[in-house]
Amino acid sequence: AQSVTQPDIHITVSEGASLELRCNYSYGATPYLFWYVQSPGQGLQLLLKYFSGDTLVQGIKGFEAEFKRSQSSFNLRKPSVHWSDAAEYFCAVGAYNQGGKLIFGQGTELSVKP
Amino acid sequence: ETGVTQTPRHLVMGMTNKKSLKCEQHLGHNAMYWYKQSAKKPLELMFVYSLEERVENNSVPSRFSPECPNSSHLFLHLHTLQPEDSALYLCASSQGGQRQETQYFGPGTRLLVL
Repeated sequence: AQSVTQPDIHITVSEGASLELRCNYSYGATPYLFWYVQSPGQGLQLLLKYFSGDTLVQGIKGFEAEFKRSQSSFNLRKPSVHWSDAAEYFCAVGAYNQGGKLIFGQGTELSVKP
Repeated sequence: ETGVTQTPRHLVMGMTNKKSLKCEQHLGHNAMYWYKQSAKKPLELMFVYSLEERVENNSVPSRFSPECPNSSHLFLHLHTLQPEDSALYLCASSQGGQRQETQYFGPGTRLLVL
């Protein structure tokens, strides 16, 4: 069955430190992968997506993610975190043969220390 | 962002009430979605509409009734809900309902069932 796992429920980093949020997926075909961010009281905003081609994708707000097929991973990174990055982050995969269905991970809540 | 709007933003209702959630997208998309976001759980897809036809119904209880009168509007009619239905209900839209498309989310309706 298709699934997405975000192993870290909550992460705290210091402002200015680097960040990596983990995402692993289980999928039988070429995946379409997404990272979304949700600030408190808001909907989800797309950070970046991977469909094909270069496995390192750049997104908004200085985020990037790397697709590693051998590890079934699509980890999100940022070299220097800002206090405004505190939010919840969701990894998702486009479900195969199910139209526009997205399968989401449980989310990782990011806190940023001053 | 105002691409996808949802009203109301907050709703409190008793178990015997009938209410409706409204979603409107201004992006010219042809597919719309309802998701349920409960605390500590991944987002759950409830319904998908593509060109105003329902293409996905994810075993949602009949007390939730969707309606898509045109490609810009989506409703979720609620009746005789249970306390466990309290959650954030998110609406999204995409170009055509394919798995590789980006879904754009509204801010959500926070529902509390007493």
